[in-house]
Amino acid sequence: ELKVEQNPLFLSMQEGKNYTIYCNYSTTSDRLYWYRQDPGKSLESLFVLLSNGAVKQEGRLMASLDTKARLSTLHITAAVHDLSATYFCADLAYTDKLIFGTGTRLQVFP
Amino acid sequence: GAVVSQHPSWVICKSGTSVKIECRSLDFQATTMFWYRQFPKQSLMLMATSNEGSKATYEQGVEKDKFLINHASLTLSTLTVTSAHPEDSSFYICSARGDSGYEQYFGPGTRLTVT
Repeated sequence: ELKVEQNPLFLSMQEGKNYTIYCNYSTTSDRLYWYRQDPGKSLESLFVLLSNGAVKQEGRLMASLDTKARLSTLHITAAVHDLSATYFCADLAYTDKLIFGTGTRLQVFP
Repeated sequence: GAVVSQHPSWVICKSGTSVKIECRSLDFQATTMFWYRQFPKQSLMLMATSNEGSKATYEQGVEKDKFLINHASLTLSTLTVTSAHPEDSSFYICSARGDSGYEQYFGPGTRLTVT
C-alpha cells in the first residue's frame, strides 16, 4: 500500500524556537515534495527534492531527503507567526501520482 | 512560474443539480491534469488523472458517472459533479503537469457547497 505519514499532526510552537516535521513514505521514490496550505487556500509549492541527500533551504525552512530511510524532514528555524499553516509532504510514487501525507498543522505563538 | 486557474472559486448549488468546474493552465501546456478533493482538516485525495484527448483514470472508490472529467485541450480540463448531494460538498483542487514531468502546479481551488 502506498503510504505517506507525517508527524507530528499538530505542532504548537513558540516564536524563535526550532522544530522538525518528519515525513515517512513507503515507496522507493526519489522525488519528494513539500507544500504549504493556508486556511481556505490551495497549495503553495515549497520544495521539490529529486535525489538522495538533497537539501534545500528557503528562509527559515530547510528540507532534506534520505531515500534509503524513506524519510524527508522539514526543519523550521527560529519560527515566526507567519509560518503558521498546514504543511504537506507528498511522494511521487512509481504510479506517477502524488501521494500526500496527512499534513502537519503548525501554529506559532508569541 | 506556471499558473493554473480554476473557475469558479466557490459555488453553492441545490441538491440534485450539476456543477461544472474548470481548470486552466494559463502559460504552459498541461499534458496531464489531476483532480483532488479535500474535506475540512484532511489531506488531499486524488480523484482522477486526465490526459489530453483521452479518458480520465479514476481512483478506486470514485464514481466516474458522478464525477465527469473532460480534458478537451492542453490547457483546459473540466470536472462536472452530477446530481450533487450535500456529501459532495468539499474543496476541489486541480493541478497540471507539463512536459518537465516532475512539477505539478496547483490551482486555487473551488469550494463547493451543496444545500
